[in-house]
Formats: sequence, C-alpha cells, structure tokens
Amino acid sequence: DGGITQSPKYLFRKEGQNVTLSCEQNLNHDAMYWYRQDPGQGLRLIYYSQIVNDFQKGDIAEGYSVSREKKESFPLTVTSAQKNPTAFYLCASSPRDSSAKNIQYFGAGTRLSVL
Amino acid sequence: AQSVTQLDSQVPVFEEAPVELRCNYSSSVSVYLFWYVQYPNQGLQLLLKYLSGSTLVKGINGFEAEFNKSQTSFHLRKPSVHISDTAEYFCAVSELNTGFQKLVFGTGTRLLVSP
Repeated sequence: DGGITQSPKYLFRKEGQNVTLSCEQNLNHDAMYWYRQDPGQGLRLIYYSQIVNDFQKGDIAEGYSVSREKKESFPLTVTSAQKNPTAFYLCASSPRDSSAKNIQYFGAGTRLSVL
Repeated sequence: AQSVTQLDSQVPVFEEAPVELRCNYSSSVSVYLFWYVQYPNQGLQLLLKYLSGSTLVKGINGFEAEFNKSQTSFHLRKPSVHISDTAEYFCAVSELNTGFQKLVFGTGTRLLVSP
C-alpha cells in the first residue's frame, strides 16, 4: 500500500542525547514536511523539503536538523539543543507538480518523551 | 501572512444531533482551505478541501463545509453525528502563490459525541 511510514511510534530521549525520527514515503511525492504537535497548539512546521538535497527551516527549526538524501526519506534529528522536545511529531508529503500539490498526506506520528 | 482561528476548543454533542465546527481565516490573497481529522494517537486524515469552484464542498464520512469569502469562513458541518466521529478536527489554509505552499493550521476542535 502507498503511504507514509513513521518510526518508531514511541521514542524516549535521555538528557543531552540526540535522537532521530524516521519518515519514509512511497507515494513518489517531491515535497516532505515535519510538524510538531503540542496540546492546544495545533501543528507547527519544523522543516520542509521541496526536492532532494534541499530543505528549508520552518517556524520552529531551532534544536532540530534534517537531511534529504533520497526522495523517499526525510529523517528528523532532535538535538540536545532542543530543551523541550516532548511532543507528537508528524511527517507529511505532497506532490509538487500537479493540481493536488497543496494537499498534504500524513504519517501516523512519533510520540517523543524525555526520560 | 495567513492565520486560522478555531474558536471552539471542544464541542460536546449527542449522537445523531447535527454539528458545526467553526473556522475563520485571515489572508491578504486567495487561499485553499482544508479540514483534517485526527483520531487519538494517529496522524491527520484529509476530510475535505476547497481549491476552487463550488463553495459547498462534500467530504468523507458525511461531512461538508461551505467557503464564505466575504466572512472569511470555512465551517464544517454534519447533519447527524456518530460516536465514531469523536476526534480532533483541524482547519488549515494555504495561500495561492507560485512558491512553496505553506499549510497553516488552526489549534483544533475536539468533537465529543456521547450516546
């Protein structure tokens, strides 16, 4: 089945540790996104990538890093510089060159907690 | 920059009753509008979208929404809700431009359907 796979579903981070969240899609979409969801705050954009080997900061990029070496993959690293990483992280993708380019499709999310 | 307001953080309703979830947006240019649904510990699923054409948009699970440009609203409605409609609903807006199509989300409305 085509879709977006996020792993792991649950992740725990120790103080001072970097952790990486995986996002893989087989929809052949060019654009990919990472959002952070906190209760009562909706979704906030962390990073996005419109094409392989290119990505831009979103609204809350501090303490996060990404890479886009393959079209299918857009991993997010939560670094030790992110002082409040506990949240639900959602990955999304969208086609770049079609009338549907504004429609984003979401993975099932990763819940990150601090030990 | 665009913004989205969902004034109701929670809407309780009895099963088989009608419901309306309100969404207002702010933008200086034309927009695309979306409603997404999120079930507990899951990603977001697209309910419906307004890209162009008829202002009354029908989506999945019996939901519909009406785009009102003069009132800058895109309220979501369902004539008769089911217990299974209990979820969080997010309104989102994307501005029409030639660059990156940023999606801005509201803070969400939790629909609680009781027997």
